[in-house]
Amino acid sequence: DAGVIQSPRHEVTEMGQEVTLRCKPISGHDYLFWYRQTMMRGLELLIYFNNNVPIDDSGMPEDRFSAKMPNASFSTLKIQPSEPRDSAVYFCASSPFFHTEAFFGQGTRLTVV
Amino acid sequence: QQQVKQSPQSLIVQKGGISIINCAYENTAFDYFPWYQQFPGKGPALLIAIRPDVSEKKEGRFTISFNKSAKQFSLHIMDSQPGDSATYFCAASQGGSEKLVFGKGMKLTVNP
Repeated sequence: DAGVIQSPRHEVTEMGQEVTLRCKPISGHDYLFWYRQTMMRGLELLIYFNNNVPIDDSGMPEDRFSAKMPNASFSTLKIQPSEPRDSAVYFCASSPFFHTEAFFGQGTRLTVV
Repeated sequence: QQQVKQSPQSLIVQKGGISIINCAYENTAFDYFPWYQQFPGKGPALLIAIRPDVSEKKEGRFTISFNKSAKQFSLHIMDSQPGDSATYFCAASQGGSEKLVFGKGMKLTVNP
């Protein structure tokens, strides 16, 4: 398996634009997570899914953020409209079972100017 | 409120030395404590994990020590190597939830 695949690896956008980050989890994994990493706040869980169903979205910072998982092999994190303070590295991760290793993707470095 | 506090923020050791990273937590409902390792430009990767029913777990040069009464756990890296230079995160989650709470991370530099 190629691991968790995220796209794009880098994204530069202007403030106010819509940004969509994509993730393909490892096949067979039941859990999918979206994290945000910044120097100030470290690694923060934004939302996680179990069998394509959102379970906990309490970490989503604002209504500008939304996440979907239409099927077991694809998820998106959308920011609309984007703001400079959204600049961060966004990670997608997946895990096969409850309380087991989470496998992280390479991340998407988002810069909002 | 930071639920998992990690110290120190950075550490420099010589090759062959012992690296020790500490974490403290407040939530007594936490029952899963993993350590993740992250290299620049990469996502974090699980290094080793422990559950509170044991006080110590060893995998190769890496050992987790767990003190339930003190609500602390630590990572020991024996015979540290330059290839261990990375950022290390402790984390915790509680039963019934997959929500991992991460510490702020510690940057380890192992000099050759």
